[in-house]
Amino acid sequence: EAGVVQSPRYKIIEKKQPVAFWCNPISGHNTLYWYRQNLGQGPELLIRYENEEAVDDSQLPKDRFSAERLKGVDSTLKIQPAELGDSAVYLCASSLADNSPLHFGNGTRLTVT
Amino acid sequence: QKEVEQDPGPLSVPEGAIVSLNCTYSNSAFQYFMWYRQYSRKGPELLMYTYSSGNKEDGRFTAQVDKSSKYISLFIRDSQPSDSATYLCAMSPLSSGSARQLTFGSGTQLTVLP
Repeated sequence: EAGVVQSPRYKIIEKKQPVAFWCNPISGHNTLYWYRQNLGQGPELLIRYENEEAVDDSQLPKDRFSAERLKGVDSTLKIQPAELGDSAVYLCASSLADNSPLHFGNGTRLTVT
Repeated sequence: QKEVEQDPGPLSVPEGAIVSLNCTYSNSAFQYFMWYRQYSRKGPELLMYTYSSGNKEDGRFTAQVDKSSKYISLFIRDSQPSDSATYLCAMSPLSSGSARQLTFGSGTQLTVLP
């Protein structure tokens, strides 16, 4: 089966610019997660979707971050405006159900200059 | 203090060595313990998972959990250069292994020298 697909793989932007990341989960996976991984750290959850509903977005900085999962399949994560501290790898993951193993994509590496 | 502490390394060993990777944690509610392997420029992939205390073996890999000491380990026998990666421990307070409250360690970078 095809894995979790993320694009772009790399993105370099200047601070205060907007940026968007896209994720296509494994077919049939109802649960989708966005994680942020800072250099030398483990992933930290930003938001979790059950189908198209965001059920846990407590760690999402809502003043500048937004996410959507239309039709319960693909998802986009947006940052506007980006700050220097947003430089990180943004990982998307999906699972068949809430208590199933996570399958991660290869991430989008964001550099904010 | 972080809920999950992991020695970042880097750890460098010769091929064939036994590798021991460890994590300590402070939240006694953690019940489900996982190890992820992350190659450079890739996403983490689930390597092993265990529930509660005890050992679990899968080929060259053994996961060990000691809840009384709040300490988990991953042992790699006969290490290979292809094992060179960052190893992340992860834990959940829910017995079902739900990712809802998954907490990751910071990862240990391992290099196996040929």
